[in-house]
Amino acid sequence: EDQVTQSPEALRLQEGESSSLNCSYTVSGLRGLFWYRQDPGKGPEFLFTLYSAGEEKEKERLKATLTKKESFLHITAPKPEDSATYLCAVQAYTTSGTYKYIFGTGTRLKVLA
Amino acid sequence: GAGVSQSPSNKVTEKGKDVELRCDPISGHTALYWYRQRLGQGLEFLIYFQGNSAPDKSGLPSDRFSAERTGESVSTLTIQRTQQEDSAVYLCASSLTFGTRQPQHFGDGTRLSIL
Repeated sequence: EDQVTQSPEALRLQEGESSSLNCSYTVSGLRGLFWYRQDPGKGPEFLFTLYSAGEEKEKERLKATLTKKESFLHITAPKPEDSATYLCAVQAYTTSGTYKYIFGTGTRLKVLA
Repeated sequence: GAGVSQSPSNKVTEKGKDVELRCDPISGHTALYWYRQRLGQGLEFLIYFQGNSAPDKSGLPSDRFSAERTGESVSTLTIQRTQQEDSAVYLCASSLTFGTRQPQHFGDGTRLSIL
C-alpha cells in the first residue's frame, strides 16, 4: 500500500539549533515529492518540489533533499517564525494509469526564542 | 485575489442539515482538489476535477458527499444530512494542470462544526 510517513511528529528546537525533518515513502511510482508549511488556521503553503533522487532545493533557512526512499527538510539556524507544521506529499502513479497525491501527517515544529 | 479563496471560513450547523462549501481556484488553474483535514490528522483526499473531464470521486467517504465544478472556475462541495464525524477543516487546492508535477496551492479552508 502506498504510504507517506513523517517523523518526528513534533519537534522543539532552540533558536539557532539546526535539525532535520524526515519524510519516508513507499509508493509504486514516484512522480514528485512536495514540501508544504502549514500555520494554524491556514492552508498549506507550497515550499518545494523534488523530482528525482539526489535533487536538492533551498529557500532561506530550508533545504530539501530526496533519496529513493525518503526526503529530508533541513532547517539551519531556525528562528521562532519557522514554527509551523511541515507537510510532505508525494504524487504517485496509480494502477489505472493516472496519478494521486498522498500526504503525510506532518511534523509540528516549535522554535523557542 | 491571486490565491485560492474558500467560503465560508467557518460553518456551524446542526446534525442532519445540508451544507455547501465554496472554492474559487486561482485563475487559469485547470485542476481543482478537495481535501478533508481532521484535527491532528493528515489531509484526506476527497475529489479532484481536471478541466472538463469526469471528476475522480474515489475519495468521497459516502454518498452524502458530492461536488460540482462550473467549467474551470468555482467548485462547491455539498454534504447532505451532516453527521458529527463530518466535523473537520475542508481544504480546496488548485494547480495549473493535473499530473504534470505541478504543486497544489491551497485555500485557508472551511472549518465545519456539526453540533
